[in-house]
Amino acid sequence: EVQLVESGGGLVKPGGSLRLSCAASGFTFSNYSMNWVRQAPGKGLEWVSSISNTGSSIFYADSVKGRFTISRDNAKNSLYLQMNSLRAEDTAVYYCARGGLNWGYNYWGQGTLVTVSS
Amino acid sequence: DIQLTQSPTFLSASVGDRVTITCRASQGISRYLAWYQQKPGKAPKLLIYAASTLQSGVPSRFSGSGSGTEFTLTISSLQPEDFATYYCQQLNSYPLTFGGGTKVEIK
Repeated sequence: EVQLVESGGGLVKPGGSLRLSCAASGFTFSNYSMNWVRQAPGKGLEWVSSISNTGSSIFYADSVKGRFTISRDNAKNSLYLQMNSLRAEDTAVYYCARGGLNWGYNYWGQGTLVTVSS
Repeated sequence: DIQLTQSPTFLSASVGDRVTITCRASQGISRYLAWYQQKPGKAPKLLIYAASTLQSGVPSRFSGSGSGTEFTLTISSLQPEDFATYYCQQLNSYPLTFGGGTKVEIK
């Protein structure tokens, strides 16, 4: 069974940093592109970042470019999102999702809440 | 960036109704479009990819169509478990984008 489990969310002050993790199981992690999607409270979905299966291709939303860094460790079946210079508008539930351009995001984690507030 | 505009934003319907949601792209995206269903407090669920391919395990009352700039998601006979918010997503080019969502509520 495919499972994606996010962790690392919490309360952080503006300007602070946080590192999210996503532990994957039930599939060959190194074969799949992975993604982060977020959802602010009461709002819609926002794509944040994607990384190819080898990590050689990485993409970011303009809203996080230069502040967030996506990475993966295929040996540990894990996806990461390093978030620096956090702002109030980064407050959201962050989901990791498996998928690619040809078939959408077919597996999602349960999400981890990041709250940026003083 | 490619903008996706969903309509309607809100839809009130009854069990058994046929429901159609539209997603318009600001530029052509071929058939690189996916549809998701999200219920409160839950992660989104993939329904349709490549504009019209039904994801495994999704009931056949869901269907998708379209290409280029105009796409539709149709639920042929609305069931109680279908009351949720639906999002389209373009996968044609980065940055990827989602539509604003359509909330389907019980009439």
